[in-house]
Amino acid sequence: EVQLVETGGGLVQPGRSLKLSCVASGFTFNNYWMSWTRQAPGKGLEWVASITNSGGSTYYPDSVKGRFTISRDNAQNTLYLQMNSLRSEDTATYYCTRAITTFYYFDYWGQGVMVTVSS
Amino acid sequence: DIVLTQSPVLAVSLGQRATISCRASQSVSISSINLMHWYQQKPGQQPKLLIYRASNLASGIPARFSGSGSGTDFTLTIDPVQADDIAAYYCQQSRESPTFGSGTKLEIK
Repeated sequence: EVQLVETGGGLVQPGRSLKLSCVASGFTFNNYWMSWTRQAPGKGLEWVASITNSGGSTYYPDSVKGRFTISRDNAQNTLYLQMNSLRSEDTATYYCTRAITTFYYFDYWGQGVMVTVSS
Repeated sequence: DIVLTQSPVLAVSLGQRATISCRASQSVSISSINLMHWYQQKPGQQPKLLIYRASNLASGIPARFSGSGSGTDFTLTIDPVQADDIAAYYCQQSRESPTFGSGTKLEIK
Protein backbone atom coordinates (compact mmCIF):
# COMPACT_ATOMS: atom_id res chain seq x y z
CA GLU A 1 0.00 0.00 0.00
CA VAL A 2 1.35 3.40 -1.00
CA GLN A 3 1.76 5.74 1.96
CA LEU A 4 3.00 9.31 2.09
CA VAL A 5 3.40 10.83 5.56
CA GLU A 6 4.23 14.52 5.92
CA THR A 7 5.74 16.15 8.99
CA GLY A 8 7.29 19.47 9.93
CA GLY A 9 4.38 21.88 9.76
CA GLY A 10 3.53 24.50 12.33
CA LEU A 11 3.32 28.20 13.12
CA VAL A 12 6.14 30.38 11.80
CA GLN A 13 6.68 34.13 11.64
CA PRO A 14 6.81 35.98 8.32
CA GLY A 15 10.28 35.99 6.84
CA ARG A 16 11.35 32.85 8.67
CA SER A 17 12.02 29.35 7.34
CA LEU A 18 10.48 25.91 7.71
CA LYS A 19 11.34 22.49 6.30
CA LEU A 20 8.74 19.84 5.53
CA SER A 21 9.45 16.14 5.19
CA CYS A 22 7.51 13.33 3.55
CA VAL A 23 8.34 9.69 4.16
CA ALA A 24 7.19 7.37 1.38
CA SER A 25 6.50 3.65 1.57
CA GLY A 26 4.80 0.93 -0.42
CA PHE A 27 6.49 1.66 -3.74
CA THR A 28 9.94 2.02 -5.26
CA PHE A 29 10.58 5.65 -4.36
CA ASN A 30 13.45 6.28 -6.77
CA ASN A 31 11.29 5.29 -9.75
CA TYR A 32 8.97 8.26 -9.39
CA TRP A 33 8.97 12.01 -9.65
CA MET A 34 7.55 13.58 -6.51
CA SER A 35 5.78 16.88 -5.91
CA TRP A 36 4.32 19.20 -3.31
CA THR A 37 0.90 20.75 -3.73
CA ARG A 38 -0.74 23.15 -1.28
CA GLN A 39 -4.22 24.33 -0.36
CA ALA A 40 -4.87 27.58 1.47
CA PRO A 41 -7.72 27.43 4.02
CA GLY A 42 -11.03 27.21 2.19
CA LYS A 43 -9.33 27.58 -1.19
CA GLY A 44 -8.32 25.44 -4.15
CA LEU A 45 -5.17 23.50 -4.98
CA GLU A 46 -1.86 24.97 -6.12
CA TRP A 47 1.14 22.99 -7.39
CA VAL A 48 4.25 24.11 -5.52
CA ALA A 49 7.24 22.04 -6.64
CA SER A 50 8.33 18.88 -8.44
CA ILE A 51 11.53 16.86 -8.53
CA THR A 52 12.69 14.17 -10.91
CA ASN A 53 13.22 10.62 -9.66
CA SER A 54 17.01 11.09 -9.50
CA GLY A 55 16.73 14.52 -7.91
CA GLY A 56 18.68 16.04 -10.77
CA SER A 57 16.02 18.52 -11.87
CA THR A 58 13.47 20.59 -10.00
CA TYR A 59 10.53 22.71 -11.09
CA TYR A 60 8.57 25.51 -9.41
CA PRO A 61 5.81 28.00 -10.20
CA ASP A 62 6.74 31.67 -10.08
CA SER A 63 4.90 32.12 -6.76
CA VAL A 64 7.58 30.18 -4.85
CA LYS A 65 10.60 30.17 -7.18
CA GLY A 66 13.70 31.39 -5.38
CA ARG A 67 12.13 30.87 -1.93
CA PHE A 68 11.26 27.16 -1.86
CA THR A 69 13.58 24.22 -2.55
CA ILE A 70 12.42 20.67 -3.14
CA SER A 71 14.88 17.83 -2.55
CA ARG A 72 14.90 14.11 -1.90
CA ASP A 73 16.93 11.38 -0.24
CA ASN A 74 16.29 8.19 -2.18
CA ALA A 75 18.20 6.10 0.35
CA GLN A 76 15.75 7.23 3.05
CA ASN A 77 12.64 7.31 0.83
CA THR A 78 12.12 10.89 1.94
CA LEU A 79 11.03 14.05 0.14
CA TYR A 80 11.70 17.52 1.50
CA LEU A 81 10.46 21.06 1.00
CA GLN A 82 12.65 23.85 2.36
CA MET A 83 10.60 27.03 2.60
CA ASN A 84 12.43 30.33 3.12
CA SER A 85 11.25 33.93 3.37
CA LEU A 86 7.78 32.75 4.25
CA ARG A 87 4.82 35.05 3.66
CA SER A 88 1.28 35.07 5.02
CA GLU A 89 0.05 33.87 1.62
CA ASP A 90 2.08 30.67 2.08
CA THR A 91 -0.33 29.65 4.85
CA ALA A 92 -1.80 26.36 3.64
CA THR A 93 -1.99 22.63 4.02
CA TYR A 94 0.93 21.13 2.12
CA TYR A 95 0.46 17.75 0.46
CA CYS A 96 3.19 15.39 -0.64
CA THR A 97 2.19 13.78 -3.92
CA ARG A 98 3.49 11.05 -6.19
CA ALA A 99 3.59 12.18 -9.79
CA ILE A 100 3.04 10.09 -12.90
CA THR A 101 5.49 11.89 -15.13
CA THR A 102 4.40 10.65 -18.55
CA PHE A 103 1.22 12.68 -18.29
CA TYR A 104 2.04 14.64 -15.11
CA TYR A 105 -0.83 13.88 -12.79
CA PHE A 106 -0.76 13.04 -9.08
CA ASP A 107 -1.90 9.53 -8.25
CA TYR A 108 -1.26 9.42 -4.49
CA TRP A 109 -1.51 12.18 -1.89
CA GLY A 110 -0.39 12.33 1.72
CA GLN A 111 -2.75 13.43 4.47
CA GLY A 112 -1.21 16.91 4.46
CA VAL A 113 0.57 19.12 6.97
CA MET A 114 -0.53 22.60 8.00
CA VAL A 115 1.79 25.58 7.74
CA THR A 116 0.67 28.86 9.29
CA VAL A 117 2.67 32.01 8.62
CA SER A 118 1.72 34.68 11.13
CA SER A 119 3.29 37.05 13.62
CA ASP B 1 -0.42 29.82 -17.14
CA ILE B 2 -3.39 27.84 -18.34
CA VAL B 3 -6.47 28.88 -16.37
CA LEU B 4 -9.14 26.27 -15.66
CA THR B 5 -12.68 27.48 -14.97
CA GLN B 6 -15.21 25.45 -12.97
CA SER B 7 -18.64 26.35 -11.63
CA PRO B 8 -18.44 26.71 -7.84
CA VAL B 9 -21.46 24.63 -6.88
CA LEU B 10 -23.63 21.91 -8.41
CA ALA B 11 -26.76 20.61 -6.68
CA VAL B 12 -28.27 17.30 -7.78
CA SER B 13 -30.71 14.78 -6.36
CA LEU B 14 -29.60 11.37 -5.17
CA GLY B 15 -29.79 8.81 -7.96
CA GLN B 16 -29.57 11.46 -10.67
CA ARG B 17 -26.71 12.35 -12.97
CA ALA B 18 -24.17 15.04 -12.07
CA THR B 19 -22.22 16.73 -14.84
CA ILE B 20 -19.24 18.83 -13.72
CA SER B 21 -17.51 20.95 -16.32
CA CYS B 22 -14.02 22.36 -16.65
CA ARG B 23 -13.01 24.84 -19.34
CA ALA B 24 -9.37 25.61 -20.13
CA SER B 25 -8.10 28.99 -21.34
CA GLN B 26 -6.25 27.18 -24.14
CA SER B 27 -6.14 23.66 -25.50
CA VAL B 28 -4.69 21.04 -23.14
CA SER B 29 -4.66 18.31 -25.79
CA ILE B 30 -1.64 17.14 -27.77
CA SER B 31 -2.72 15.12 -30.80
CA SER B 32 -5.15 12.61 -29.29
CA ILE B 33 -3.76 12.90 -25.76
CA ASN B 34 -5.94 14.95 -23.45
CA LEU B 35 -3.89 16.23 -20.54
CA MET B 36 -6.78 16.81 -18.15
CA HIS B 37 -7.25 14.98 -14.86
CA TRP B 38 -9.88 14.97 -12.11
CA TYR B 39 -9.68 14.71 -8.33
CA GLN B 40 -12.23 14.28 -5.56
CA GLN B 41 -11.73 15.90 -2.16
CA LYS B 42 -14.10 15.03 0.66
CA PRO B 43 -14.29 17.40 3.65
CA GLY B 44 -11.25 17.08 5.89
CA GLN B 45 -9.47 14.66 3.55
CA GLN B 46 -6.72 14.85 0.99
CA PRO B 47 -7.60 14.87 -2.72
CA LYS B 48 -7.91 11.55 -4.51
CA LEU B 49 -7.29 10.87 -8.19
CA LEU B 50 -10.51 9.93 -10.03
CA ILE B 51 -9.81 10.25 -13.74
CA TYR B 52 -6.56 10.70 -15.67
CA ARG B 53 -6.06 11.77 -19.28
CA ALA B 54 -9.67 12.93 -19.46
CA SER B 55 -11.38 9.55 -19.58
CA ASN B 56 -9.34 6.89 -17.78
CA LEU B 57 -10.68 5.67 -14.44
CA ALA B 58 -8.09 5.54 -11.67
CA SER B 59 -7.60 2.34 -9.72
CA GLY B 60 -10.43 1.53 -7.33
CA ILE B 61 -12.79 4.23 -8.59
CA PRO B 62 -16.39 3.09 -9.17
CA ALA B 63 -17.67 2.90 -12.72
CA ARG B 64 -20.38 5.49 -11.99
CA PHE B 65 -17.60 8.06 -12.49
CA SER B 66 -16.62 8.87 -16.06
CA GLY B 67 -14.80 11.62 -17.90
CA SER B 68 -14.90 13.05 -21.38
CA GLY B 69 -13.78 15.98 -23.47
CA SER B 70 -10.92 17.32 -25.53
CA GLY B 71 -9.25 20.59 -26.41
CA THR B 72 -10.60 23.15 -23.95
CA ASP B 73 -13.82 21.57 -22.68
CA PHE B 74 -13.96 18.63 -20.30
CA THR B 75 -16.66 16.93 -18.23
CA LEU B 76 -16.75 14.71 -15.19
CA THR B 77 -19.98 12.70 -14.91
CA ILE B 78 -21.28 10.89 -11.86
CA ASP B 79 -24.23 8.62 -12.62
CA PRO B 80 -25.99 7.83 -10.40
CA VAL B 81 -25.01 10.22 -7.62
CA GLN B 82 -24.74 8.66 -4.18
CA ALA B 83 -24.58 10.33 -0.77
CA ASP B 84 -20.91 9.34 -0.50
CA ASP B 85 -20.11 11.51 -3.52
CA ILE B 86 -20.55 14.76 -1.59
CA ALA B 87 -17.20 16.43 -2.15
CA ALA B 88 -15.31 19.05 -4.07
CA TYR B 89 -14.13 18.08 -7.52
CA TYR B 90 -11.05 19.62 -9.12
CA CYS B 91 -9.73 19.44 -12.65
CA GLN B 92 -6.00 19.71 -13.33
CA GLN B 93 -4.14 20.21 -16.60
CA SER B 94 -0.64 19.07 -17.45
CA ARG B 95 -0.26 20.56 -20.94
CA GLU B 96 1.99 23.12 -19.25
CA SER B 97 3.10 23.47 -15.62
CA PRO B 98 0.30 21.95 -13.56
CA THR B 99 -2.65 24.13 -12.67
CA PHE B 100 -5.94 23.27 -11.02
CA GLY B 101 -9.45 24.54 -11.42
CA SER B 102 -11.03 26.31 -8.46
CA GLY B 103 -13.21 23.30 -7.74
CA THR B 104 -16.91 22.41 -7.91
CA LYS B 105 -18.72 21.51 -4.70
CA LEU B 106 -21.30 18.80 -5.26
CA GLU B 107 -24.35 19.24 -3.07
CA ILE B 108 -27.48 17.15 -2.68
CA LYS B 109 -30.83 18.80 -3.43
